[in-house]
This record gives sequence, C-alpha cells and structure tokens, in this order.
Amino acid sequence: SQQGEEDPQALSIQEGENATMNCSYKTSINNLQWYRQNSGRGLVHLILIRSNEREKHSGRLRVTLDTSKKSSSLLITASRAADTASYFCATDAVGYAGGTSYGKLTFGQGTILTVHP
Amino acid sequence: NAGVTQTPKFQVLKTGQSMTLQCAQDMNHNSMYWYRQDPGMGLRLIYYSASEGTTDKGEVPNGYNVSRLNKREFSLRLESAAPSQTSVYFCASSWDRNQPQHFGDGTRLSIL
Repeated sequence: SQQGEEDPQALSIQEGENATMNCSYKTSINNLQWYRQNSGRGLVHLILIRSNEREKHSGRLRVTLDTSKKSSSLLITASRAADTASYFCATDAVGYAGGTSYGKLTFGQGTILTVHP
Repeated sequence: NAGVTQTPKFQVLKTGQSMTLQCAQDMNHNSMYWYRQDPGMGLRLIYYSASEGTTDKGEVPNGYNVSRLNKREFSLRLESAAPSQTSVYFCASSWDRNQPQHFGDGTRLSIL
C-alpha cells in the first residue's frame, strides 16, 4: 500500500509562479524525502527532511513537515519551464537487517507539474 | 561518475521467458533496491538488500528473485515472465537510512 499521497495529482502554472505540492502519510516516519522525475528518466533526490525538522530550504525549494498532521509540502518558487516534471514524496519505514540500518522508502503516486513558458 | 547503471534499457520478452536485469553502483553504497513503476501507481519496492550478503522482500516480490553479487551489483531475475510484469524497473542505492537514494534511468520491459 502507498503511504504517501500527493495532492494535487496534476498542477499547471505559468513561468514565474509558485508551485505547491502536498503529501500526506499514515504512520510515524524517520524522514520524508522529495524526488523529481523527468519524463523517461530515473528519480532525482531533491530534499530530505528528518522527523525532528520542521522546514528545510534548498535554492528555490522549500519543504515543510508537520508530524502532528502527518503531512509535508514542497514549494517551488519562481518556477521555470525546466521544472516541468513529476514530483514524488517518499517516507522512510525504519528497518534493521544484518547489522546495517537501511531506508525502505514508500512512494506516493506523484504530482505532475507543468510549467508553461 | 556513472552513479547507478542499469542494463538493458529496453527489453521485449514473450510470456514464459526468463531474463535478468543488471544494476551496478560505483558510490560504495551499502544498500540497494529494486522498484517497479506502473502508471498511476508510483514506485513499489520489489526487493532490497540492506548490505552485501543480505536480501529481503519488499511490497511486490512475487515472480522475482534477486542476487546481491557483491557490494556494487544487485540483479533482478524474472524466471517466467508474465504480462503483468510489464513495467519500468528502477534500481537505486543509498549509504544509509538518512541519506537519499540514487536511481538509475530504468529498464523498460514489455512482456507479450
């Protein structure tokens, strides 16, 4: 089952506008990650936010995390046509095997962002 | 830096055929993962390997087997391909649970 659920499923904006995508999840997490996927390519990591963090920035990206509401948001400011892609949130189900900790991510279905020039 | 390399990039199989998808990473990561991506389903974990010598089932392991050949390589095998396994398969690797996963560009597999 999918832990992360993104909203909206699709978002269409003009260049220069801000884009906000939301993610909700069901169980306690160790961290939450956002990834971008361009058409026909693999996923590229954007930001990782730990459960004890509330906000994180990276360039034009801002991620917030509200563990009480089990939700996160990704804000892309001053969007560009090159930001057109699918965006996924992924939650980390903590596991432990063979003496090595690992992250077993559960992905949402993604938000398709289209930025028009 | 190659990162995560998957081969082949495309493959068409007939029902019942077998094949192995290869994945190699050059980042000295401990953990490796196999996902499948279907339209409207996001990514689903098939198998993962927390470290060299260990493998474990993910969300959708039926019909697949894996081998962690060494620290660099993690292969996914379809013993008897079925049309329901038509999908895009992604391999990923990570250092540990608090580090991001790095993905290959995927193998597009069609089973007729």
